[in-house]
Amino acid sequence: KAGVTQTPRYLIKTRGQQVTLSCSPISGHRSVSWYQQTPGQGLQFLFEYFSETQRNKGNFPGRFSGRQFSNSRSEMNVSTLELGDSALYLCASSIGGRATNTEAFFGQGTRLTVV
Amino acid sequence: AQKVTQAQTEISVVEKEDVTLDCVYETRDTTYYLFWYKQPPSGELVFLIRRNSFDEQNEISGRYSWNFQKSTSSFNFTITASQVVDSAVYFCALSEEVDSNYQLIWGAGTKLIIKP
Repeated sequence: KAGVTQTPRYLIKTRGQQVTLSCSPISGHRSVSWYQQTPGQGLQFLFEYFSETQRNKGNFPGRFSGRQFSNSRSEMNVSTLELGDSALYLCASSIGGRATNTEAFFGQGTRLTVV
Repeated sequence: AQKVTQAQTEISVVEKEDVTLDCVYETRDTTYYLFWYKQPPSGELVFLIRRNSFDEQNEISGRYSWNFQKSTSSFNFTITASQVVDSAVYFCALSEEVDSNYQLIWGAGTKLIIKP
């Protein structure tokens, strides 16, 4: 069965712009979580969505937001981009429960570069 | 604050050697979960194991084994008879609840290089 699909794989944006990243979870998975990975800060949890509701949230500013649709697909939006937002953004899906407590399946990520 | 420490930034061994990756965590909770994930060069994280705080049994899966010790707050990962395909970055992570909000806290990762 298909894995977690993230689009686009690579993105270059200018400071001040906004960006939307997309994640399609594994079929049947209802939980989607997002992570930011940078060389300096490592992996950091952004938020988790379950049944179209944000269930858990990390310590990121309000410029980072997300949503989940009825088919479990999720989008993540970053507004007013800063250079420090350059990172690999990873999406993970899990079948249910809390993504932070169960096995999660990750996509290959979207590499965002802010110039 | 919760924290996960992977003190080994990079480990390099020759194929067929055994290698242990260390993970030390800090938490005030009595209920928590610990994970190991592998990140190959392709980028996606691959789940290896999950342990809850009430289960201190060691686990073996093929060439992989995990040693969970609550007394020392450690959850170490050993690869026996390493292979080149084991080369990757390995992450340890801790999940716990803080004010009804669950977070997954990641270690900095250990880059494992297996030389042929």
